[in-house]
Amino acid sequence: AQSVTQLGSHVSVSEGALVLLRCNYSSSVPPYLFWYVQYPNQGLQLLLKYTTGATLVKGINGFEAEFKKSETSFHLTKPSAHMSDAAEYFCALEETSGSRLTFGEGTQLTVNP
Amino acid sequence: KAGVTQTPRYLIKTRGQQVTLSCSPISGHRSVSWYQQTPGQGLQFLFEYFSETQRNKGNFPGRFSGRQFSNSRSEMNVSTLELGDSALYLCASSPEAAPIGQYFGPGTRLTVL
Repeated sequence: AQSVTQLGSHVSVSEGALVLLRCNYSSSVPPYLFWYVQYPNQGLQLLLKYTTGATLVKGINGFEAEFKKSETSFHLTKPSAHMSDAAEYFCALEETSGSRLTFGEGTQLTVNP
Repeated sequence: KAGVTQTPRYLIKTRGQQVTLSCSPISGHRSVSWYQQTPGQGLQFLFEYFSETQRNKGNFPGRFSGRQFSNSRSEMNVSTLELGDSALYLCASSPEAAPIGQYFGPGTRLTVL
């Protein structure tokens, strides 16, 4: 069965610092991978996705992620954190069998002034 | 294009009652999925409908059911509510079966007393 593990339930960075949120996955078939962000009392917003092709994918709000098959990882980065990036981030996996997302536990990002 | 809408946004019920939640997908999207989000269990997949047929089902008891109408709008029903059913219920839509990412609504916050 597929699974997603996010290392670190809480990450704290200073404004302007690098953001790195870690995600590792397990899947029996080549997966499709996603990062979502959730602000308080809201639904999930799609940040970026990896389906096929280029392993470095760029998303909204300056975020990007790199798919590394050898490391079964899909870490999310942003060069310079902004206060508005404070939210919960979820890594998710979808196998080719259909539209069923498996989510990681989530990482709460705090940005300090 | 309007996003995914869910009604109602907040709901309070008592144990033993039943509840129906509604979801209107993005125009043109034919796949609708439902997820339950709780602090303890995180985001868990309930079921997915495509062209009025349930195509995938998560590991939830039969008290949880859903349906999809010809206009792709979907409803989920929970019968005989339990305290543990208190959660944020999220609906997501995508254009078709391909895993190109799902687009989430704001959710319905269900509280069971």
